[in-house]
Amino acid sequence: GQNIDQPTEMTATEGAIVQINCTYQTSGFNGLFWYQQHAGEAPTFLSYNVLDGLEEKGRFSSFLSRSKGYSYLLLKELQMKDSASYLCAVRDPNSGNTPLVFGKGTRLSVIA
Amino acid sequence: EAQVTQNPRYLITVTGKKLTVTCSQNMNHEYMSWYRQDPGLGLRQIYYSMNVEATDKGDVPEGYKVSRKEKRNFPLILESPSPNQTSLYFCASSQTGGASQPQHFGDGTRLSIL
Repeated sequence: GQNIDQPTEMTATEGAIVQINCTYQTSGFNGLFWYQQHAGEAPTFLSYNVLDGLEEKGRFSSFLSRSKGYSYLLLKELQMKDSASYLCAVRDPNSGNTPLVFGKGTRLSVIA
Repeated sequence: EAQVTQNPRYLITVTGKKLTVTCSQNMNHEYMSWYRQDPGLGLRQIYYSMNVEATDKGDVPEGYKVSRKEKRNFPLILESPSPNQTSLYFCASSQTGGASQPQHFGDGTRLSIL
């Protein structure tokens, strides 16, 4: 089966750093995505990890440990506009052609 | 501008009245997909298409149909909508179905079936 877990909600202060965790249990693994979704809007791509380690992209970084089935998204210098849901999604090649299995998302609230 | 366009954006209709949600992309992408998003359940894939005339079921295909006659279009058809299909629907596309390809999402269609 497939299982992707993320915290449901998080709150952090403007200017701070926040880490959003994602653990996954899938029969196969072919990469992990992070998407950002503002309320009522479309998800937008943030990062892709397929090898272990940290990928940095401006204020956002994403880490992957395949042996632990674990990833995190790190957001630095938080801004109010970072208030959104963050979706972790795993490519599982054993679940069909190219399905992308999404976690339920983590709703991040940035407060002043 | 590269985009995925869905229509309509909002629709309220009644049980049993056939409806179609259109999706069009202008990026010459091979892969297209439909998702529904429900509170507490996240995004779930309904159908996907690897290319023209190649469609396959996702996790929750019951009650839906799709077609891919042209590369740019991937309509979602609800032949006999029911209230449990009330949801927020997203169409997405990517260059290919390759593992590293991020999907580009449309703005969503909010469907209410009464």
